[in-house]
Formats: sequence, structure tokens, C-alpha cells
Amino acid sequence: EVVLTQSPATLSLSPGERATLSCRASQSVSSYLVWYQQRPGQAPRLLISDASNRATGIPARFSGSGSGTDFTLTISSLEPEDFAVYYCQQRSNWPLTFGGGTNVEIK
Amino acid sequence: ELQLLESGGGLVQPGGSLRLSCAASGFTFSTYPMTWVRQAPGKGLEWVSSIGISGSDTQYADSVKGRFTVSRDNAKYMVYLEMNSLRAEDTAVYFCAKYRGSGDRTFDPWGQGTLVTVSS
Repeated sequence: EVVLTQSPATLSLSPGERATLSCRASQSVSSYLVWYQQRPGQAPRLLISDASNRATGIPARFSGSGSGTDFTLTISSLEPEDFAVYYCQQRSNWPLTFGGGTNVEIK
Repeated sequence: ELQLLESGGGLVQPGGSLRLSCAASGFTFSTYPMTWVRQAPGKGLEWVSSIGISGSDTQYADSVKGRFTVSRDNAKYMVYLEMNSLRAEDTAVYFCAKYRGSGDRTFDPWGQGTLVTVSS
């Protein structure tokens, strides 16, 4: 099973600041890494597919990078609606797995 | 508009059974694999099961293998999750989601979820 480790668990930032979230895989998943956003009380929403491809309607301030085992989600300038939990997911191997999440909270 | 709507959640005793349903609309259901993902209260996301377009190709997490069965009815635009021998640790919100494509295990969109509580 591919274990995904997200860090940090919590990121405390102010609106307008840059957020950098990490997702590390226990083995290579090539570029088959997905990022989701989950706001409180809502279902997850697709942000980034295949490590770096923004989903339809996702603002340009969200970007993804990485391949193999190390991946990064960057939010260039936090908006109030970006304070949420972010999950990575690998779609390379069965079983499909998620990281534990990073909570981006208002400082 | 593409929509997924789960139903069937509720309170069930340990060892009991429950059947979840997910009604799809707004896309050609028979051409997309579907999946179930759960989230225990205050916890992260856990993939549960996936089903291919014909229904014959299914996958399960080890934690539910042998107890849960996923199925679909393409004519009714429905996907189901039959859950047996339920345990306290199965308590979670269960989401259904659509694959982006036949070979693309990216989940988009997700339904709003249905809560399953296993407790005596």
C-alpha cells in the first residue's frame, strides 16, 4: 500500500500569505497524484489532477508540482475561502490512498 | 448539471446491515466508473470501493473486503453499497464520487455524503 504523508498537519497563515503544502509518497506514484479541498461541512472538491493540472474553475493561485514521491500544493496568496483542509490522493496503485490532510487555518 | 445524491444512511447496531444508494444525473452514467469514499467523524478520507462501468470489475479496501459489496444499475443511474457485519469503526460519512474517466481514478465530483452510525 502506498502511504501518503502530508505536512504540516496544520498551517496557520493570514489572508494574502503564501501556503506551501507537502505530500510525500512511500513509493513512486509517477505523476498520478491528486489534490482535493474540503471546506467545513462540505464534500471534497477536486483542485489539481496528475500533480500539476488545475481542474476546471480552479483559480490560478492554486498550483501543484512534483513527481515520483514528493509533491507540493502552493496557494500563492490566500483568500478567505481558501481556509480549509487539503488532501492528496494517489491514483497509481490499488488500494487507492489519501494523505492525512493539511488544515490551513487563519492565523 | 452533474449531480450525485447519496441516501440510506442511519443508525444501525453492530453486526447489522445497511444499503447505501447514490443517484446520479447530468452525465452518461454507464460510461464512468464510480467509487465510495468514507470519512469518520473528525478524521480524514478513506477510499472504500470502486466499480467499473459494467459492474463486473470491483475493488475494495482491505478494511471492508468480504463485508461490503458495491453494485450499479446503469439503467437507473444508481450505484449501491451493501454493508454487512457493520462495526463501530465503520461509522462515517459515506461519499459517492464519479471517476473523471474510464482509466482515471480521479474523483470529480463528489456527492454530499450520507452518515452511517454503528452503535448499540
